[in-house]
Amino acid sequence: NAGVTQTPKFRILKIGQSMTLQCTQDMNHNYMYWYRQDPGMGLKLIYYSVGAGITDKGEVPNGYNVSRSTTEDFPLRLELAAPSQTSVYFCASSYRPTGMNTEAFFGQGTRLTVV
Amino acid sequence: AQSVTQPDIHITVSEGASLELRCNYSYGATPYLFWYVQSPGQGLQLLLKYFSGDTLVQGIKGFEAEFKRSQSSFNLRKPSVHWSDAAEYFCAVGGGADGLTFGKGTHLIIQP
Repeated sequence: NAGVTQTPKFRILKIGQSMTLQCTQDMNHNYMYWYRQDPGMGLKLIYYSVGAGITDKGEVPNGYNVSRSTTEDFPLRLELAAPSQTSVYFCASSYRPTGMNTEAFFGQGTRLTVV
Repeated sequence: AQSVTQPDIHITVSEGASLELRCNYSYGATPYLFWYVQSPGQGLQLLLKYFSGDTLVQGIKGFEAEFKRSQSSFNLRKPSVHWSDAAEYFCAVGGGADGLTFGKGTHLIIQP
């Protein structure tokens, strides 16, 4: 009963380094999302995808890239890490658009620190 | 644009006392509303959701919430809190392909 799995759980990056946050789901959900959570700010949408091959920007996409080659996977790429990207990142998925009589399922999060 | 306001950043409640966490939303159409809970170092767990119908919805862990369209509110309640309820609580509104809009969260502290 895996649900949404994110790796790694923790990571420290140096400024300018790059990395990929992995997200995979085994529920055959079409819709997938990446959020970042900063203290006192709630969760903000970075990117989302409505199906394999289709992605779109959310509220805070700058500094990130995504791809969706399969239904299961939705990796988030940081090309040039900056201290402002220190955050907790959550991946989520849903069968239909969230709110259309459906809910989003969240991974456990990736805590990223950029130094 | 849709938005969610959680007016209380922190709330402290004594164990066994009742709890109400406030949530106000702004949404142009019929809102779909959610409450999530996040325990320290954990992901988000859905407590309850409102899509339509009965305006009083029951969730897990003894929580309930009431949708009041006239007040644009979706407040979360629990009659008697337990120490294990200490966590961060998020209200969210959704309705489109671009995910949920979250409030900034309310940090619940339980006093013994």
